[in-house]
Amino acid sequence: EAGVAQSPRYKIIEKRQSVAFWCNPISGHATLYWYQQILGQGPKLLIQFQNNGVVDDSQLPKDRFSAERLKGVDSTLKIQPAKLEDSAVYLCASSLEPGAGSPLHFGNGTRLTVT
Amino acid sequence: AQKITQTQPGMFVQEKEAVTLDCTYDTSDPSYGLFWYKQPSSGEMIFLIYQGSYDQQNATEGRYSLNFQKARKSANLVISASQLGDSAMYFCAMREGNTGGFKTIFGAGTRLFVKA
Repeated sequence: EAGVAQSPRYKIIEKRQSVAFWCNPISGHATLYWYQQILGQGPKLLIQFQNNGVVDDSQLPKDRFSAERLKGVDSTLKIQPAKLEDSAVYLCASSLEPGAGSPLHFGNGTRLTVT
Repeated sequence: AQKITQTQPGMFVQEKEAVTLDCTYDTSDPSYGLFWYKQPSSGEMIFLIYQGSYDQQNATEGRYSLNFQKARKSANLVISASQLGDSAMYFCAMREGNTGGFKTIFGAGTRLFVKA
């Protein structure tokens, strides 16, 4: 099966600019996640979708970050305006089932550098 | 409070030897899952092994085993016969929640160095 697809692979922007990341989960996976991984740290959940509904966005900085999952398939994460501290790898993941035993399948991530 | 604690920022192991990576967790949910992921320098996160909170036996997957001690809330990863390709970051993760939604949270990770 095809894995989780993410683009772009790398992005460099200046602070106060906007940026968008795209993710296409594994076919049939109803749950989609966006994680932020700052260098040297573990991934931190930003937002979780079940089909096209938001399950958890408690750690999403909503003043600058937004995400959508139209039609319950692919998803876009946007940052506007970007800050220096947004420099990180943005990981998209999907899981087949919503339960406790369902592992996450990750894409290769987008490495964002804000200068 | 930290939900997932990995106390070893870095670990060294000699090739072909076994190594244990520590993980403790904190939850009040009776149903949860514990996972280990590997992240090589290339950046992708690779699922290694899963242990359910109700599982009686420790999970094993090839050279990976999970030493699950429920009363102590620990879920240590054991890698047997280490290989040079095992050098990577390793993350312990816990999946908890209810029918309204399950969330996966990660520890800070342990960097493993395998020496030839």
